[in-house]
Amino acid sequence: GESVGLHLPTLSVQEGDNSIINCAYSNSASDYFIWYKQESGKGPQFIIDIRSNMDKRQGQRVTVLLNKTVKHLSLQIAATQPGDSAVYFCAELRLKAGANNLFFGTGTRLTVIP
Amino acid sequence: DGGITQSPKYLFRKEGQNVTLSCEQNLNHDAMYWYRQDPGQGLRLIYYSQIVNDFQKGDIAEGYSVSREKKESFPLTVTSAQKNPTAFYLCATLAGVNEQFFGPGTRLTVL
Repeated sequence: GESVGLHLPTLSVQEGDNSIINCAYSNSASDYFIWYKQESGKGPQFIIDIRSNMDKRQGQRVTVLLNKTVKHLSLQIAATQPGDSAVYFCAELRLKAGANNLFFGTGTRLTVIP
Repeated sequence: DGGITQSPKYLFRKEGQNVTLSCEQNLNHDAMYWYRQDPGQGLRLIYYSQIVNDFQKGDIAEGYSVSREKKESFPLTVTSAQKNPTAFYLCATLAGVNEQFFGPGTRLTVL
C-alpha cells in the first residue's frame, strides 16, 4: 500500500504486505528528517531518521528514502504486522544555535488488516 | 516513554482556571519541549528550554507559561488566556542532535 501523508491521511494494508508512507516537505534547509510512530493515547516514538545529505537509510524492517529533488520522504515498512497500526508522522529538524526544533507533518494513520 | 513522566494523564479544567501540567525526566537531557496535539493533527511547539533558567517561545506560546528551575522539570501552565486549551499535551526531551523522546502525554479537557 502507498499513500501521500499530507493528502491521504489513512492507509490500510494486509498483514504481511509492505507499507509505504509518504511525506512531502517544503523547507530545503532542514538538516534531518525523522519518522515517528504514535499509538493511540501515547506519545510519539522515534523510528528512524535520515540526514539531509543521505538518500536512504535502513533500520529493522524499516527503510527511509529521501528525494531532495522533489522534496519527498517515504517510510517503507516490510512485512507489516498488526502492531504497526498507528499514526506515523514525518518531522523536519532544523539545527540552529541555541535550538534544534522539529516541525511535524499532519500524519498518516496506518491500519493493518489481519 | 522511558524516563519522562507526565502527570496527570487526564485533566479537567473549568473555564477561567489556570492549570499546571507536570513533566519530569531522569534522562539527564538538557533540552525539553512542550507540544500541543489536536485531534487528527500533528504536533505544534508551545515552548522549549535548552538549559536551566532559560526557555523560548514556540509557534503557539500565547496563553501558556513555563518555568525551568531544575534540569529534571519543565512544568507547563495553561492560563485562562488560552482560548481553546482542550488538547493532548506532550512533553519531550532531546538527546544529542536529533533524537526526541516523548512522554506519555496529558489530555486536558475544558468543561
